[in-house]
Amino acid sequence: EDKVVQSPLSLVVHEGDTVTLNCSYEVTNFRSLLWYKQEKKAPTFLFMLTSSGIEKKSGRLSSILDKKELFSILNITATQTGDSAVYLCAVGNSGNTPLVFGKGTRLSVIA
Amino acid sequence: GAVVSQHPSRVICKSGTSVKIECRSLDFQATTMFWYRQFPKKSLMLMATSNEGSKATYEQGVEKDKFLINHASLTLSTLTVTSAHPEDSSFYICSAVAGGMGDTQYFGPGTRLTVL
Repeated sequence: EDKVVQSPLSLVVHEGDTVTLNCSYEVTNFRSLLWYKQEKKAPTFLFMLTSSGIEKKSGRLSSILDKKELFSILNITATQTGDSAVYLCAVGNSGNTPLVFGKGTRLSVIA
Repeated sequence: GAVVSQHPSRVICKSGTSVKIECRSLDFQATTMFWYRQFPKKSLMLMATSNEGSKATYEQGVEKDKFLINHASLTLSTLTVTSAHPEDSSFYICSAVAGGMGDTQYFGPGTRLTVL
């Protein structure tokens, strides 16, 4: 059975801290790993990773995939209160089939 | 690009009524759309996969006759909650996959359903 495990489940940090969120997976015919940010409404897309070892960056957020270890991390540097959200990791095993989602990491950034 | 809309954003109805939720891909064609529900502080739960022009594929435990899905065009899928009951109250989210964009699913803003 395909599985995506995120850790930690929740995290509280102070503004300015750097955080690392983890995602490990077991899926057949891996195709891609995606990170989403969910605040009060529906998830918004952050990154899609398909190749091992290539870092994707967007501002203070970055992510990298290790296909050998079946693992990805999402880094957020210089955190701000606006980064408070649930971060979801999902894995796709072929085009147009349902993504398998992890349970998410709830990040709270306090001033 | 890759914008998905949902309508309505919020609905409150009486027990026993049916509610229709629309999901539209605004700037791309989506051969496949997904319907999720989410309870407070819980992760997304996939309900069904909707393919344009064919019957939806429902996940185990999701009642087909209760949650009717119609994917009539490449830009529109609808979810109808029939004879809604209070336990159907939830946040319903759709997502769409754009052809040629691999697995990236773009989510709609969600519909909050409250059944009294």
